[in-house]
Amino acid sequence: RKEVEQDPGPFNVPEGATVAFNCTYSNSASQSFFWYRQDCRKEPKLLMSVYSSGNEDGRFTAQLNRASQYISLLIRDSKLSDSATYLCVVNRYSSASKIIFGSGTRLSIRP
Amino acid sequence: DAGITQSPRYKITETGRQVTLMCHQTWSHSYMFWYRQDLGHGLRLIYYSAAADITDKGEVPDGYVVSRSKTENFPLTLESATRSQTSVYFCATRTSGGGTGELFFGEGSRLTVL
Repeated sequence: RKEVEQDPGPFNVPEGATVAFNCTYSNSASQSFFWYRQDCRKEPKLLMSVYSSGNEDGRFTAQLNRASQYISLLIRDSKLSDSATYLCVVNRYSSASKIIFGSGTRLSIRP
Repeated sequence: DAGITQSPRYKITETGRQVTLMCHQTWSHSYMFWYRQDLGHGLRLIYYSAAADITDKGEVPDGYVVSRSKTENFPLTLESATRSQTSVYFCATRTSGGGTGELFFGEGSRLTVL
């Protein structure tokens, strides 16, 4: 079993829809959580950090559930430009070497 | 300001050849990383460096060598390339090794080993 698991998708949703992804992690010592976005054949870029109390950045909302060991990303009013792969990232032990990436969830927004 | 530059961006080589992928940063971030990205595996850490002359293994270090004589450069060498090393390689930097810092990635080096 992978330490960080994501549904690979693809999620194919119409423009304007709300879409949500989950990511589960297996190591309870995980301390920091992030969502990165990766466009096709490009480098990953930080979308947002995920805080214990949940956080929002415009149309994007991230939640952390430590008890069930998952994080989620909600995208409201989706745009064509949101089409990308979303990577769940977990940092264990506050250690540089313990940054674990999920395989990513592909999202495709259709007009 | 380019931030992180990787070279070459594309490389085709043959089994058994030595290949070096270069990574250069202009930010003076302490930490530098090399990842490989393969379908179904996500990004996996090969090696990382906390500072000049300090390097350590990641999850998949076998077959790779790194060095960091200067803060800004972190080359990755495949001593004798194998087909299983065909991948996309990303260099990344981070201001600290702690859990909260953002990773900044280079554009990637696409390596094919024939």
